[in-house]
Amino acid sequence: AQTVTQSQPEMSVQEAETVTLSCTYDTSESDYYLFWYKQPPSRQMILVIRQEAYKQQNATENRFSVNFQKAAKSFSLKISDSQLGDAAMYFCAYRSTSNFGNEKLTFGTGTRLTIIP
Amino acid sequence: DTGVSQDPRHKITKRGQNVTFRCDPISEHNRLYWYRQTLGQGPEFLTYFQNEAQLEKSRLLSDRFSAERPKGSFSTLEIQRTEQGDSAMYLCASSFDRGPYEQYFGPGTRLTVT
Repeated sequence: AQTVTQSQPEMSVQEAETVTLSCTYDTSESDYYLFWYKQPPSRQMILVIRQEAYKQQNATENRFSVNFQKAAKSFSLKISDSQLGDAAMYFCAYRSTSNFGNEKLTFGTGTRLTIIP
Repeated sequence: DTGVSQDPRHKITKRGQNVTFRCDPISEHNRLYWYRQTLGQGPEFLTYFQNEAQLEKSRLLSDRFSAERPKGSFSTLEIQRTEQGDSAMYLCASSFDRGPYEQYFGPGTRLTVT
């Protein structure tokens, strides 16, 4: 079974600075998807960025980018020019590409990000 | 269509009572998922539907839990004889059945069992 580990329960960053959230995972599969989701306080989970394991190029979405290290099974999220609205719980998630019996997302325990004004 | 919706948003019930939650997915999505999230944890998978067929159930889904998606549109999750351990946020998500399988989440139903 796949597992996802987020070793930083809490992180904080000054507004306008850059922060990196860590995620590692364990799998025996060669192809899969990885996601970062954001869950603001009392609000619904929002997809931030995704990475397909067969793509070597790191995904980027505006101020959000990932550092995907397949051999190390590492998938970190970098947030540049941090804004107050970035304050949230961030979850790393794994999904197999297999279409039979592996449709679920496996989540880490999350990192709570605080933005310091 | 504005996204996945869930009803109710909050539910307080007494131990032993039955509760039912509803999820309306994004209309174009044929897959619908239920997750449970306890405080300080990431969501845990419960079950999912492809159209009206329930294709996978987690071991977390005890016999007291049942989910349906009768017409392949909205879904209901029922918990019978609730226990205090059932207190959690119940999240619904939907997706297409083709890659990259991005799941879009609803706001959740927070259940408190007293």
